[in-house]
Amino acid sequence: GDSVTQTEGLVTLTEGLPVMLNCTYQSTYSPFLFWYVQHLNEAPKLLLKSFTDNKRPEHQGFHATLHKSSSSFHLQKSSAQLSDSALYYCASNTNKVVFGTGTRLQVLP
Amino acid sequence: EAAVTQSPRSKVAVTGGKVTLSCHQTNNHDYMYWYRQDTGHGLRLIHYSYVADSTEKGDIPDGYKASRPSQENFSLILELASLSQTAVYFCASSDPGQGVYEQYFGPGTRLTVL
Repeated sequence: GDSVTQTEGLVTLTEGLPVMLNCTYQSTYSPFLFWYVQHLNEAPKLLLKSFTDNKRPEHQGFHATLHKSSSSFHLQKSSAQLSDSALYYCASNTNKVVFGTGTRLQVLP
Repeated sequence: EAAVTQSPRSKVAVTGGKVTLSCHQTNNHDYMYWYRQDTGHGLRLIHYSYVADSTEKGDIPDGYKASRPSQENFSLILELASLSQTAVYFCASSDPGQGVYEQYFGPGTRLTVL
């Protein structure tokens, strides 16, 4: 069946440094890919999705590029902010929604 | 804006008791989902539904039942609550038929079973 892999459970970095959170997927078909962000004691909410009329999806300084050749949809940001500290989920959707296990991003001053 | 609400927001239950968690959406979405969240496990799908009066098993359905009496409402039922069911539960909606593939989550219900 479909699967989503997020290899890092915790990423810790200093404010101002670049961010990259890894996401790879396995699917028989070409899935839609998503990044969700969950701040402490809040619900997950959509950050990015892979299908945006051929434009690279961007939101709040984050962007992600779907690479079908490597089955990846890594999340990137050029400069981390303290407010980016949160739990990030990668997810796929073909005929079923599949979430990765999540990566906690901790940004330190 | 899309809206999903859950009640109660928190609940303490006794082992062996019955617990019902409710979810209501005003998005006019056909699909609704129940997830549980535990530290280290991320979001795990319990049950989902794509039409009223029908529910489907997710990845971890054991110990849970679901009910979808209308498009707007989706309940999760724990007939005999156990300690291992202590978790945060999220409801979500989407509608692939309308091109809405992303999920809209409710605020969550924190369930503690003692």
